[in-house]
Amino acid sequence: SAVISQKPSRDICQRGTSLTIQCQVDSQVTMMFWYRQQPGQSLTLIATANQGSEATYESGFVIDKFPISRPNLTFSTLTVSNMSPEDSSIYLCSVERATNEKLFFGSGTQLSVL
Amino acid sequence: GENVEQHPSTLSVQEGDSAVIKCTYSDSASNYFPWYKQELGKRPQLIIDIRSNVGEKKDQRIAVTLNKTAKHFSLHITETQPEDSAVYFCAASKGSRNQFYFGTGTSLTVIP
Repeated sequence: SAVISQKPSRDICQRGTSLTIQCQVDSQVTMMFWYRQQPGQSLTLIATANQGSEATYESGFVIDKFPISRPNLTFSTLTVSNMSPEDSSIYLCSVERATNEKLFFGSGTQLSVL
Repeated sequence: GENVEQHPSTLSVQEGDSAVIKCTYSDSASNYFPWYKQELGKRPQLIIDIRSNVGEKKDQRIAVTLNKTAKHFSLHITETQPEDSAVYFCAASKGSRNQFYFGTGTSLTVIP
C-alpha cells in the first residue's frame, strides 16, 4: 500500500471562506483523485488531479469551486472555495500506483462549515 | 458511464454467521472490482479485489465472486466477528488510469 498523508484532518470554517487540503504520497503515483463523502453516503469523485495540467472534473463539480493543483507526482491540493454549509463533508485524497492499479485512500479531511 | 448498485444497504448477522453483499455493474468493459471496508471515522481500506479473468478469490474469511456474464460480484464473509462491523463499499473500474465507480455502501453489524 501507499503512505498517504492528508492534512488538515479536520477543520471548522466560516461560510464564504476557503480551505486548502493537502495530500502527500510517499512515492510517485500515476493517478491522484479527490473524493467527497457526505455523511452516511458513498464516495463521489470530484476530479482527477493531473500532473502538470488542469484537473479533470466530474459532472457537478467545477474548477472555480474546487481548484486543484498537482505540481509533481507525489503531491496535490484541493481547495474548497467560498464555502457554504452544504460543503460540510469528508474530503478524501486517493492514489493509484502504476505497479498494481489498486486505489488507496488518505485519512481524509472532515470539513464543517458554519 | 458505469453504474454500480449495491445491496443490501444494511445487514445484521449473528457472530459466527456468514454475510453476503452483492453488487451489479453496467459497463461490460469494467475489469477490476475491489471491495473496501470503512470503519467509523476511518478511511476506506482495500480488503480484497478481483479481476475479470478470475471467477473467485479468497483470503482467509473473506471471498469475492464474479459473474461477468450477469455483471455482478459479491463479497462473502464467513465466521463473522464483531470487528467485521463496518460499512463495505464495492467498486468497479476499467483498469489502470481509469476512474473507480463506487456502490452506495452496506452497513454491516455483527451482533455478539
